[in-house]
Amino acid sequence: DAGITQSPRYKITETGRQVTLMCHQTWSHSYMFWYRQDLGHGLRLIYYSAAADITDKGEVPDGYVVSRSKTENFPLTLESATRSQTSVYFCASSDKGYGYTFGSGTRLTVV
Amino acid sequence: AQKITQTQPGMFVQEKEAVTLDCTYDTSDQSYGLFWYKQPSSGEMIFLIYQGSYDEQNATEGRYSLNFQKARKSANLVISASQLGDSAMYFCAMRGENNNDMRFGAGTRLTVKP
Repeated sequence: DAGITQSPRYKITETGRQVTLMCHQTWSHSYMFWYRQDLGHGLRLIYYSAAADITDKGEVPDGYVVSRSKTENFPLTLESATRSQTSVYFCASSDKGYGYTFGSGTRLTVV
Repeated sequence: AQKITQTQPGMFVQEKEAVTLDCTYDTSDQSYGLFWYKQPSSGEMIFLIYQGSYDEQNATEGRYSLNFQKARKSANLVISASQLGDSAMYFCAMRGENNNDMRFGAGTRLTVKP
């Protein structure tokens, strides 16, 4: 299916565990982004990528790792999950200068 | 650094009336884009409207229009003839010259009353 797909939609994990959120887009957009959404904060940028093998930190990168070996995939890894990382995570993609297309989001709960 | 401010945590409007959602921004970039997104209770982010910093006319998309006042650094969203389905969170966002990322405001929750 064309579009941007996030998986899983829901995830519960324990404190200290590593968890990876997946993001796949079929448009060959050069830019991809990861945001987290928390009440009262809107969406905050975690990491972004301008192209394959090019990534950079956003506003709140601590505790997260990203990679982009292929243009279409941009996984986000929480190396050692903490309760403060309980959030809704959105992946987005775009071409340069255009608005974003968002995935459906992943609701992550760290217990 | 870029900053987006939405000062209205919540707004109410009567069905069929117009409503304005406020957004101010701060940037030193000469070229930038302003966006509005809608997030219904189902959670997805839906693009509504775009305004470029060099666009002389205010953007319009159906019932949505963007009241762009560059000197005031404001980009208010106007929804005409509100419908019950307009009840949602609305986010203002800006993408700057470097095109690397988009910054979002904290959002405004709009409730349309029947």
